[in-house]
Amino acid sequence: DAGVIQSPRHEVTEMGQEVTLRCKPISGHDYLFWYRQTMMRGLELLIYFNNNVPIDDSGMPEDRFSAKMPNASFSTLKIQPSEPRDSAVYFCASSLMGGNNEQFFGPGTRLTVL
Amino acid sequence: QKEVEQNSGPLSVPEGAIASLNCTYSDRGSQSFFWYRQYSGKSPELIMSIYSNGDKEDGRFTAQLNKASQYVSLLIRDSQPSDSATYLCAVNMGNTGGFKTIFGAGTRLFVKA
Repeated sequence: DAGVIQSPRHEVTEMGQEVTLRCKPISGHDYLFWYRQTMMRGLELLIYFNNNVPIDDSGMPEDRFSAKMPNASFSTLKIQPSEPRDSAVYFCASSLMGGNNEQFFGPGTRLTVL
Repeated sequence: QKEVEQNSGPLSVPEGAIASLNCTYSDRGSQSFFWYRQYSGKSPELIMSIYSNGDKEDGRFTAQLNKASQYVSLLIRDSQPSDSATYLCAVNMGNTGGFKTIFGAGTRLFVKA
């Protein structure tokens, strides 16, 4: 079975541009998480979904960030407008509740905002 | 106080030695505990999970949990250079915490050949 799939793997953009990151969770998993990782702040939870419904978005840094999960196999994280301080690696992870909430991470998207 | 605390390291051990990684957490309601390994430039990879007090062994890895002391540890026996990575402790707060998982900042481990 394929793991969590993220695209693009690398994104370089200029300040003010819109950025959209994509994630396909493991089939059958009903929880999806978006994380951001930087050297300074470590791995931070931004938002997570259960059965496509956002449950907790308290980690979203500001209104420039938004996330959607239109169906069980696809989620997006959008930043509009992007700023240099948004540069980080963004990970998507999924898990199967009813198991023990072990999360499986995608390869990440390295975002650079110039 | 941070919710999940780890010594950032680096922890340096010789090949073949036991590496001991420690983690403390602040929420007494936490129910699930995980260790992830992250190689440089890669994503976190789950290596151990533990849910009840005591030890859990898997190959060269042993996870230890003490809920009374709010303490989790990971022992790596017969350390190999390929174990050199950052180890992230993660704590899931279960039902009362909305199943949120909080990660520690990680401990860098360096195994010298």
